[in-house]
Amino acid sequence: ETGVTQSPTHLIKTRGQQVTLRCSSQSGHNTVSWYQQALGQGPQFIFQYYREEENGRGNFPPRFSGLQFPNYSSELNVNALELDDSALYLCASSLGAGPTGELFFGEGSRLTVL
Amino acid sequence: KQEVTQIPAALSVPEGENLVLNCSFTDSAIYNLQWFRQDPGKGLTSLLLIQSSQREQTSGRLNASLDKSSGRSTLYIAASQPGDSATYLCAVLSYNTDKLIFGTGTRLQVFP
Repeated sequence: ETGVTQSPTHLIKTRGQQVTLRCSSQSGHNTVSWYQQALGQGPQFIFQYYREEENGRGNFPPRFSGLQFPNYSSELNVNALELDDSALYLCASSLGAGPTGELFFGEGSRLTVL
Repeated sequence: KQEVTQIPAALSVPEGENLVLNCSFTDSAIYNLQWFRQDPGKGLTSLLLIQSSQREQTSGRLNASLDKSSGRSTLYIAASQPGDSATYLCAVLSYNTDKLIFGTGTRLQVFP
């Protein structure tokens, strides 16, 4: 059974650029959620995808968008990057759309915006 | 609005001590509460999940309790080891939002 994998692990962008982060969910999991973790803070919920549809969103602007593919992998896209977007972006997978069991997290993608 | 608080923010103890990490939440309408471990610069590792109908869960040297009515959970670590050094995060899954709300974590250092 493979765990949640994320890519890239680290990347550096400049203000105004766009970034795409990728996540492969744990085998058998059909729900993916994304979190942003600023330094010294707890993760903040961005959005969740279930069977290719967004089914929950946190307090993030529309320049944060996502996709889920038929194999349940997912992308997080951030447009018009700002300095405050610098953070660790975490992907988590779970089984089912509703509030069910455990979330399993990947190692994260560390984004630095200069 | 659900808020999760963890106390203390940091803790340094000698190896072998038993210790308790605290988590409190403001809205008791939760589905479950989950404890995670995070090593520096790394992702989150799930330690224990307690459903709202449960009082506690145990895994090895770890024991987590949940008192939903008072909005509290504790993570008990027995016989701490230097390898336990990490940040410990608790998170609740609330009825109102269906999303995981995290505390800011307790940074634990266990020295030999």
